[in-house]
Amino acid sequence: DGGITQSPKYLFRKEGQNVTLSCEQNLNHDAMYWYRQDPGQGLRLIYYSQIVNDFQKGDIAEGYSVSREKKESFPLTVTSAQKNPTAFYLCASYNRGTYSSGANVLTFGAGSRLTVL
Amino acid sequence: QKEVEQDPGPLSVPEGAIVSLNCTYSNSAFQYFMWYRQYSRKGPELLMYTYSSGNKEDGRFTAQVDKSSKYISLFIRDSQPSDSATYLCAMTYSGGYQKVTFGIGTKLQVIP
Repeated sequence: DGGITQSPKYLFRKEGQNVTLSCEQNLNHDAMYWYRQDPGQGLRLIYYSQIVNDFQKGDIAEGYSVSREKKESFPLTVTSAQKNPTAFYLCASYNRGTYSSGANVLTFGAGSRLTVL
Repeated sequence: QKEVEQDPGPLSVPEGAIVSLNCTYSNSAFQYFMWYRQYSRKGPELLMYTYSSGNKEDGRFTAQVDKSSKYISLFIRDSQPSDSATYLCAMTYSGGYQKVTFGIGTKLQVIP
């Protein structure tokens, strides 16, 4: 079945460590996204990528980095510069052909929960 | 003021009730409106999608968009305990890549 796989599901990090969250999709979607979800704040966009080897900052990119070397993969690194990294991280993808009107309808992965100890 | 406003709840209803979930928005450029359902500790899944104003029905679910009032609704008929989840409204513009703006989500509990 086609979908988005995020790993690990749960991750614990000590302060000062970098961690990388994996996101892989086999939907052949062009665009991929990383969101952060916190209680009471909804989904906030961290980074997005429309094509391989290109990505743009979202609303809360500080302290995060990404790469897009392959169409299927969009890993997110949470660096030690991110002041409050404990959150639920969601990866999503989008293909303009999903709906005939071209609407930006996202398909999400199951999420990764990061806790800083 | 946020671009999209949504009451976080929680909203508790008895099984079989009709549920009404709502969002208001301020950006008149939004043309595509979506509702996602998110179970606890899971990723959101697309429930309904509508373009511009009007109604769309899918089984027990009806989505309504009133662009003149900048108001969207999701109705759930004959609610079931399995409908207990957080419901996120989302909206975007037309054409190409556009950033999707989400509401904060309304937590719904359907009590047997």
